[in-house]
Amino acid sequence: EAGVVQSPRYKIIEKKQPVAFWCNPISGHNTLYWYLQNLGQGPELLIRYENEEAVDDSQLPKDRFSAERLKGVDSTLKIQPAELGDSAVYLCASSLSYREWGNEQFFGPGTRLTVL
Amino acid sequence: AQKITQTQPGMFVQEKEAVTLDCTYDTSDQSYGLFWYKQPSSGEMIFLIYQGSYDEQNATEGRYSLNFQKARKSANLVISASQLGDSAMYFCAMSPLNTDKLIFGTGTRLQVFP
Repeated sequence: EAGVVQSPRYKIIEKKQPVAFWCNPISGHNTLYWYLQNLGQGPELLIRYENEEAVDDSQLPKDRFSAERLKGVDSTLKIQPAELGDSAVYLCASSLSYREWGNEQFFGPGTRLTVL
Repeated sequence: AQKITQTQPGMFVQEKEAVTLDCTYDTSDQSYGLFWYKQPSSGEMIFLIYQGSYDEQNATEGRYSLNFQKARKSANLVISASQLGDSAMYFCAMSPLNTDKLIFGTGTRLQVFP
């Protein structure tokens, strides 16, 4: 079974430029998560999707961040414009359903963003 | 507010020895879930073990066991018979009631030496 796929693995951009990250969850997983992981910290949830609906986006900085999951499968996270403080690892995870308490989340390898 | 505290930035253990990674949590919920994840240098988070607050027995998964002490609000991870491949970052996380949102600690870097 294929795991969560993310691309690109690494991205280096100049500040004020746009950037996008792509995630393909495990087949059949209805719930998809985007996390931000700063250096030396644990991941922090940015947004959670149940199928194509964003059910929790309270931590997403909506002035510059946006996300979509149009067909309820793969998802794109965008930053426009990027700032120096956005340098971090962006992790995608998926699970069968958020309604299952204690349901295991499967994580992708992440995208390491460096903003110069 | 819920919070996870991992006070050990780094730990060293010799191969084949056991090691305990500390985790304490803060919550006013009566029911919650506790998780441990491993993050090797490759970056992905690997699920290790889960403990529900309502579970009376400590969870075990192979060489991993979770020492759950509800009154002390601690959920320490015990790795028995350490292997060189266990070298990684380890994160403790909590899931509040009726949600699968994960709140992570700052992690502990474990290094296993021969």
